[in-house]
Amino acid sequence: GAVVSQHPSRVICKSGTSVKIECRSLDFQATTMFWYRQFPKQSLMLMATSNEGSKATYEQGVEKDKFLINHASLTLSTLTVTSAHPEDSSFYICSARDGRGTGNTIYFGEGSWLTVV
Amino acid sequence: AQSVTQPDIHITVSEGASLELRCNYSYGATPYLFWYVQSPGQGLQLLLKYFSGDTLVQGIKGFEAEFKRSQSSFNLRKPSVHWSDAAEYFCAVSDFGNEKLTFGTGTRLTIIP
Repeated sequence: GAVVSQHPSRVICKSGTSVKIECRSLDFQATTMFWYRQFPKQSLMLMATSNEGSKATYEQGVEKDKFLINHASLTLSTLTVTSAHPEDSSFYICSARDGRGTGNTIYFGEGSWLTVV
Repeated sequence: AQSVTQPDIHITVSEGASLELRCNYSYGATPYLFWYVQSPGQGLQLLLKYFSGDTLVQGIKGFEAEFKRSQSSFNLRKPSVHWSDAAEYFCAVSDFGNEKLTFGTGTRLTIIP
């Protein structure tokens, strides 16, 4: 079946540095991908909608200059956390829409654990 | 704004016993409802979804869920759990089909022999 892969699964970075997380659709083209974040003991929260070839749409309260999203190809979206701080430590997970046929099914990646020290 | 509540953070069930995971939602209209499962190191896998029609929905791996509008609930059930069902379960709601999802905090299921 369709697979969405995220990389890295775990990353530790120093405060003030930037870190990039990739989300790939492995066997289908995804014109739309979604980025979620989950803080400990809280819900998964939608951060932004990533559209291939255009700017991402951010949810209210999400800083677009801090969380840079690039969806340059139909199989890859990247989330870059810029000038990371310890409060950015979280679980980030992406999903991608497979629009083939009539399924219009959403598939999720494995998620990425970010720790900022 | 829509919201989802999963009141049970952690549930422990004996293998072979029945299971019910609770989910309550807050939404003005008829929601689209989902249950996902996440095993360690894995992505979220869709178990089942409710868009309309029959309020009892059958999913994969022997799971089912029932939409009860009067109770704003969408509880997940399985008659007999297997050790491989141990995982984190998330209930979610959407008003855009199955695109933008609002998740509950999840319920961690532990299976004991």
